[in-house]
Amino acid sequence: NAGVTQTPKFQVLKTGQSMTLQCAQDMNHNSMYWYRQDPGMGLRLIYYSASEGTTDKGEVPNGYNVSRLNKREFSLRLESAAPSQTSVYFCASRPVGRGQGPHGTEAFFGQGTRLTVV
Amino acid sequence: LAKTTQPISMDSYEGQEVNITCSHNNIATNDYITWYQQFPSQGPRFIIQGYKTKVTNEVASLFIPADRKSSTLSLPRVSLSDTAVYYCLVGDPILTGGGNKLTFGTGTQLKVEL
Repeated sequence: NAGVTQTPKFQVLKTGQSMTLQCAQDMNHNSMYWYRQDPGMGLRLIYYSASEGTTDKGEVPNGYNVSRLNKREFSLRLESAAPSQTSVYFCASRPVGRGQGPHGTEAFFGQGTRLTVV
Repeated sequence: LAKTTQPISMDSYEGQEVNITCSHNNIATNDYITWYQQFPSQGPRFIIQGYKTKVTNEVASLFIPADRKSSTLSLPRVSLSDTAVYYCLVGDPILTGGGNKLTFGTGTQLKVEL
């Protein structure tokens, strides 16, 4: 089991460029999440997908779009990158309800994508 | 989701017990309390979850009083490797749909020194 895999791990963009951050999980989880973490700050929820086919805004959705391509994959797109979007991006997944894993409802995180917009 | 309040930072020394308290006055009947740990440059990882009284695992203990308006994460005999940010989350773990939102606060930065 790979868990939650994010690609790329590092990326440098120029202002105005677009890119898609990829996230895939192999744990058959229903829910997936995208967060950003600025230096010295906590995680802020950008978007989440409670189940395949649904997406909802989180705390800081402006400037981002998401796609829940299937149950495994949840991508985050920056249409026109801005320096304020320089951050570390984390993807996470967790099961809905009880069951999967020893703790039942814990969230599993990827290793992050470090994005710099210049 | 219930709002949580926890200290921004704490300092300790190796071998000491560390207790981090989280306040959640508006906790709902179906809500559980969950703690995550985050090391620098890594995503958070689950530590412990509980509903009431006391829960203990190989990493930590979680104490929840009868009124459930607060909880305390206890780390026994910390070491330098326990230096991390600790997040307290409160929510119903089996909610579906829009209720499945998972938000983290700013957490508590624990620094352990020799």
